[in-house]
Amino acid sequence: TQLLEQSPQFLSIQEGENLTVYCNSSSVFSSLQWYRQEPGEGPVLLVTVVTGGEVKKLKRLTFQFGDARKDSSLHITAAQPGDTGLYLCAGRYNFNKFYFGSGTKLNVKP
Amino acid sequence: KAGVTQTPRYLIKTRGQQVTLSCSPISGHRSVSWYQQTPGQGLQFLFEYFSETQRNKGNFPGRFSGRQFSNSRSEMNVSTLELGDSALYLCASSYHRELQETQYFGPGTRLLVL
Repeated sequence: TQLLEQSPQFLSIQEGENLTVYCNSSSVFSSLQWYRQEPGEGPVLLVTVVTGGEVKKLKRLTFQFGDARKDSSLHITAAQPGDTGLYLCAGRYNFNKFYFGSGTKLNVKP
Repeated sequence: KAGVTQTPRYLIKTRGQQVTLSCSPISGHRSVSWYQQTPGQGLQFLFEYFSETQRNKGNFPGRFSGRQFSNSRSEMNVSTLELGDSALYLCASSYHRELQETQYFGPGTRLLVL
């Protein structure tokens, strides 16, 4: 059983569409990070959220941290083919190690 | 600044053999973490070293071990390889261990066990 449940597992959309990826847990995170990984490379950090209710924006990407710090979402507006990749959330508990979600494989078709 | 480097990038071994993977963190970073990534299990934490001391350990058997040197470079070793050890092994480094610390990942070592 994954400590962090990520959904959906796969997403295939057309360029210009919007999408949301979810990351949920029954535990409270000290912090949560979102990464994007491309084939043959390591994950690259997109954002870190620490405070419950926090919202961060990175161009067309909006990240939200739940009030109770147990869940998070990543929303992409007007997706582009360059957004294609594996999106991973990672939660940290009590300054301890990171637990990763199973990932969402996004494919944006031109 | 050079990124995290991992060697080798690809490795083929047979069951029962052992393997050593190497990770050079970004200059000045003292924390190095190792992860195993497989299609079925995703990214799973192996262990973390900070200033040559193992600070955290994941739920892997004792066949998986690691160490960190005084220059922060790290190695992980897997003994008595099994088919299920085939995976992408990722190393990540960070300066401190703060909440908002950015982990920088290397490109990984892809291990295939035959």
